[in-house]
This record gives sequence, C-alpha cells and structure tokens, in this order.
Amino acid sequence: DGGITQSPKYLFRKEGQNVTLSCEQNLNHDAMYWYRQDPGQGLRLIYYSQIVNDFQKGDIAEGYSVSREKKESFPLTVTSAQKNPTAFYLCASSVAKTGRGETQYFGPGTRLLVL
Amino acid sequence: KQEVTQIPAALSVPEGENLVLNCSFTDSAIYNLQWFRQDPGKGLTSLLLIQSSQREQTSGRLNASLDKSSGRSTLYIAASQPGDSATYLCAPNRVESNDYKLSFGAGTTVTVRA
Repeated sequence: DGGITQSPKYLFRKEGQNVTLSCEQNLNHDAMYWYRQDPGQGLRLIYYSQIVNDFQKGDIAEGYSVSREKKESFPLTVTSAQKNPTAFYLCASSVAKTGRGETQYFGPGTRLLVL
Repeated sequence: KQEVTQIPAALSVPEGENLVLNCSFTDSAIYNLQWFRQDPGKGLTSLLLIQSSQREQTSGRLNASLDKSSGRSTLYIAASQPGDSATYLCAPNRVESNDYKLSFGAGTTVTVRA
C-alpha cells in the first residue's frame, strides 16, 4: 500500500530534551512538509522540502530542525528551544518538485506531550 | 499574510439535510484551494482541489465553489450521512517567494445525527 507513515503515534518529551518525529512516504513524491496543529487553530507550516538535501523554513520554524537525506524520509526534531511543543504534528507530501500547488497527502500524525 | 476564516465553527444537523460550509480568505491572489476532511485524532484527507480559474468542482455528493475575487469558497455536501461527521478544513494555496504554500482555516466541525 502506498502512503505516508508517521511514528510514533504518541511521544512524550521531558524538559530540555530533543525528540525526533519520523515521517516516511512510498509515494515517490518529491515535496514533503511538516505542520503543527493546535486546538481551535488551523495547521501551521514548520518546514518543507522540495528536493533531497534541501529544505526551507515555514511560518513557525523556531525551535525545530529537519533533514532530507533520502527522498522518502523527512524527520522533524523538536529541540529544547521549542518552549511550547505540545501539539499534533502532521507530515504531508506532494508530487511536484516545482510545488505547483498539487494535492498534498497527509500522514496519520504524531501527538507530542510534555511531561 | 493569508488569513483564513471558516464559519460556522461547528454544525449539527439531522441525517439527510444538506450541509453548507463557508470559507473566506484575505488574499485573493491564490493558485488553487483545497478542501480537506479530518476525523478526530487523524490526519487530513483531501476532498477537492479547485483551481483559481474554476468556479466549481464536484465529486459525488460534494461540490465546492470558488469566488476568488471576493475571497470566498463554499463546500456543499448533499444528503448528509452520519459518516460525514468530521472536521472540514479549507486551505487556499498562495505563492510566496516562488514556493506554493497552503494556509489553513481552523475548520468546521460537523455532526450528522442519525
């Protein structure tokens, strides 16, 4: 089955700890995205990547980091600099390297909670 | 910066009634607009993508209209069913620094009562 997988489903972070959220896709999509969703708010873009070994900051990149070493993988690290990390994190991908507004396909999400 | 508003925030209807979900956005210079469905605790599922040159897009019981100049889109769901209960999100696609980016509304949460 083709799709996007995210792991873990739930993640707990201790004070001062860095944690990494996994996102893998087997759709052969060039572009991948990370969003954050808070209750009562729309999704906000954290980082995106349109090609391997290249990525750009979104609207709320502070306190987060990413890498894109393989086409199918786009892990997100929530660093200790992110003071309010509790949220639902969604990964997405789309076909075109040019990012010409094609449909984005989403993973099932990871819920991050602070201990 | 694109601001997206979805009204109403929540809607409860009896089964069989038609649903009308509204979306407004502040920057009309969009490339296209997507409507998504989100079930509780789950990811998003794309329902419809309507290009800026289109006025309407249909898929089964779903119909989306777009009035780009006035910054409005409406999602119609005909003959609602309990399985339609979910949150519906509107996302216009803007061009910023040569990249295409979605801006999301907070969604309309729909409950269809059997």
